[in-house]
Amino acid sequence: GAVVSQHPSWVICKSGTSVKIECRSLDFQATTMFWYRQFPKQSLMLMATSNEGSKATYEQGVEKDKFLINHASLTLSTLTVTSAHPEDSSFYICSASQNRDINQPQHFGDGTRLSIL
Amino acid sequence: DQQVKQNSPSLSVQEGRISILNCDYTNSMFDYFLWYKKYPAEGPTFLISISSIKDKNEDGRFTVFLNKSAKHLSLHIVPSQPGDSAVYFCAAARYNQGGKLIFGQGTELSVKP
Repeated sequence: GAVVSQHPSWVICKSGTSVKIECRSLDFQATTMFWYRQFPKQSLMLMATSNEGSKATYEQGVEKDKFLINHASLTLSTLTVTSAHPEDSSFYICSASQNRDINQPQHFGDGTRLSIL
Repeated sequence: DQQVKQNSPSLSVQEGRISILNCDYTNSMFDYFLWYKKYPAEGPTFLISISSIKDKNEDGRFTVFLNKSAKHLSLHIVPSQPGDSAVYFCAAARYNQGGKLIFGQGTELSVKP
């Protein structure tokens, strides 16, 4: 149980392109989804928290107009990297939780490797 | 400012022996600590957790120890198995923060047969 599917797993695109990444909870309803970014050999850095039906909460330093998050249903959240540039190349990973209780572990997708040429 | 630190990027252990992974934190307000395990090309999977009101939690071969005065936690794996080879992340959280996790950099464990 508690499966989170993230798609696509790998994207290569030209600079200036917008890229959408999907995160789905397959067997549970995710009240809250989290989006992380990871650089090589570094920790997962939280970018934003999305709650179903409301606006996402972004961490300090994360441009909300650059990284658009939508959480339209209890099983789907999307991250759109708008007008992507080479510096946006990174590993993006989502997680989902049935609630915001920290006693409820987050379940992670397998991540998306984004490469901007 | 790195609030959660895993200072050892890698660890190599012989099969059957104990693996000890360490994690330090700077924020004394953290209420809950978790360990996640990550295989290549997969997302992290939850392993074990501990509340700040406890100093030990055990689940099978995995035990997490918390030393609040030292702001240090460790994960013990006994006995280590080759299938335990993965990257281990510790994470910390506070209540009433919307479930937000702060992760360490990870330690790559290699268990050799």
